[in-house]
Amino acid sequence: SAVISQKPSRDICQRGTSLTIQCQVDSQVTMMFWYRQQPGQSLTLIATANQGSEATYESGFVIDKFPISRPNLTFSTLTVSNMSPEDSSIYLCSAAGSKAEQYFGPGTRLTVT
Amino acid sequence: GEDVEQSLFLSVREGDSSVINCTYTDSSSTYLYWYKQEPGAGLQLLTYIFSNMDMKQDQRLTVLLNKKDKHLSLRIADTQTGDSAIYFCAEKGDSGAGSYQLTFGKGTKLSVIP
Repeated sequence: SAVISQKPSRDICQRGTSLTIQCQVDSQVTMMFWYRQQPGQSLTLIATANQGSEATYESGFVIDKFPISRPNLTFSTLTVSNMSPEDSSIYLCSAAGSKAEQYFGPGTRLTVT
Repeated sequence: GEDVEQSLFLSVREGDSSVINCTYTDSSSTYLYWYKQEPGAGLQLLTYIFSNMDMKQDQRLTVLLNKKDKHLSLRIADTQTGDSAIYFCAEKGDSGAGSYQLTFGKGTKLSVIP
């Protein structure tokens, strides 16, 4: 299994600012992903973080709003840019080392005021 | 797109068995998963089953898969108060060699009554 940590665990941010969330995996993994979980809702995939190339975004999510980096096989960042209250969510990092198992970090709870 | 459906709530008495059900639409699903989310925490991978299996047992957890009906269930034996959480069903399709994307249900909130 993979152990995933995220920083920060929570933050309260002002409208119009940006926040960068870090995700660290304790072993090298093939794939890393970023999900959003809005209050009381299920998980929605934002993008796949590709090592050494641009992230692959899902419909409804764009690079200008959610820039992603993945400099190596154990680390990724997600930035939530120009935040609005609608961006208040839990942001979860996920990693898959095999096709079967996919693990999640503890999440970053973001509140935008 | 593909869809995963779950009932939203389940309430059981401590010591009883819990059965959480899930249906999905993707006929090319390769793996199906159960995740547990406790309040304020991330998702914990509980168990998963490959689509060519019909049952998997792991201690108190039993997963049943009916691929014909696209129905997945999670049975928790001797349910404890610590099992109170939201349980998410998820499936992974087979859209190519690089397919890792999971589709999640909305989650079933399990409440265990002491």
